[in-house]
Amino acid sequence: GAVVSQHPSRVICKSGTSVKIECRSLDFQATTMFWYRQFPKQSLMLMATSNEGSKATYEQGVEKDKFLINHASLTLSTLTVTSAHPEDSSFYICSPASGRTGELFFGEGSRLTVL
Amino acid sequence: QKEVEQNSGPLSVPEGAIASLNCTYSDRVSQSFFWYRQYSGKSPELIMSIYSNGDKEDGRFTAQLNKASQYVSLLIRDSQPSDSATYLCAVNTPLVFGKGTRLSVIA
Repeated sequence: GAVVSQHPSRVICKSGTSVKIECRSLDFQATTMFWYRQFPKQSLMLMATSNEGSKATYEQGVEKDKFLINHASLTLSTLTVTSAHPEDSSFYICSPASGRTGELFFGEGSRLTVL
Repeated sequence: QKEVEQNSGPLSVPEGAIASLNCTYSDRVSQSFFWYRQYSGKSPELIMSIYSNGDKEDGRFTAQLNKASQYVSLLIRDSQPSDSATYLCAVNTPLVFGKGTRLSVIA
């Protein structure tokens, strides 16, 4: 099956700092990337959708200036949480979609803890 | 607001029994339906996808879809302790997830 590499798997940072999460599709080209967030005991909530080379589309309630998404290539997308606060502590999961088959895959997730 | 509803559980079944997980969705024109399994602290993994009314079987898993009732279910036969996880129902693309049902299979 397809391989998606997401890292870091865990990160702890101080309030006010920025954290970058990388998501790589290792054996397919991801024309579309979905970024999800999951709080404890909650479902996955879509944060934004990005297409390679285009600006991301953010879901209602998600601040585009706080959650910076870069999808500059077909194999790499990054999510940067800027000026992180404790309420941003969550499990962030990337989901690249294969441009060829449309199939969705999931990264292993990144657990962010903001102190 | 497109919604996907699931009973949060926990649903407890004895080993070897059939576990039945249910999901309803609000968007009548939904076309794609998925069941994911998520272990604690891990990302979801796809178990089944179903696109048309009726049953779809894959090993011990059977997905059932009823578009008229806006209802999709997952049956797990011969449940094993390793099946203990949270099962997420998801609809369409981009996926809209339910909150998940926590299943506990008791040995």
